[in-house]
Amino acid sequence: NAGVTQTPKFQVLKTGQSMTLQCAQDMNHEYMSWYRQDPGMGLRLIHYSVGAGITDQGEVPNGYNVSRSTTEDFPLRLLSAAPSQTSVYFCASSYSNQGRETQYFGPGTRLLVL
Amino acid sequence: GENVEQHPSTLSVQEGDSAVIKCTYSDSASNYFPWYKQELGKGPQLIIDIRSNVGEKKDQRIAVTLNKTAKHFSLHITETQPEDSAVYFCAANRPIGLIFGTGTRLQVFP
Repeated sequence: NAGVTQTPKFQVLKTGQSMTLQCAQDMNHEYMSWYRQDPGMGLRLIHYSVGAGITDQGEVPNGYNVSRSTTEDFPLRLLSAAPSQTSVYFCASSYSNQGRETQYFGPGTRLLVL
Repeated sequence: GENVEQHPSTLSVQEGDSAVIKCTYSDSASNYFPWYKQELGKGPQLIIDIRSNVGEKKDQRIAVTLNKTAKHFSLHITETQPEDSAVYFCAANRPIGLIFGTGTRLQVFP
């Protein structure tokens, strides 16, 4: 199993550009989520999904969209990039959202918005 | 709102000494408390977790304690080694997903 994979590893955008961060898992996990990590602020939940076709907002959803058309994939879209979105983005998955299972994280995507 | 406070933000210890990281959570409904280790350039990885029905759990050199009354939980690493150097995050569960502390950078000097 590859676990949770993320692409790209690193991206530079100009303000106003859009892009999609890819996330895939091969563990047949129902629950997937996106976090952003900023210095001194830990990991903050952007969006999450409890299954294919179901998504919802986390703590910091503004400026981001998600979709979940399959169990495996959970892409994160930046609609119009802003410098405040410079961060490291992590995708995670777990078997369910009972809140008591191990979450597996991907290796991250480092995003710089100029 | 819900939050998890984590202290200290940085911790330096000599190899072989113990390290303790403490967290406090606010949501009394939380019942699952994992600890993650993040090495440079990698994603967080679960190292130990504890559920609300136990007060302590140990796995070799690492242990976690939980005081539900005080809403405190702590990570204890004994006989630290240079490879323990990393950023450690505590977390607590809530209906939408985990809420994380702000992290502790642990440095173990040989």
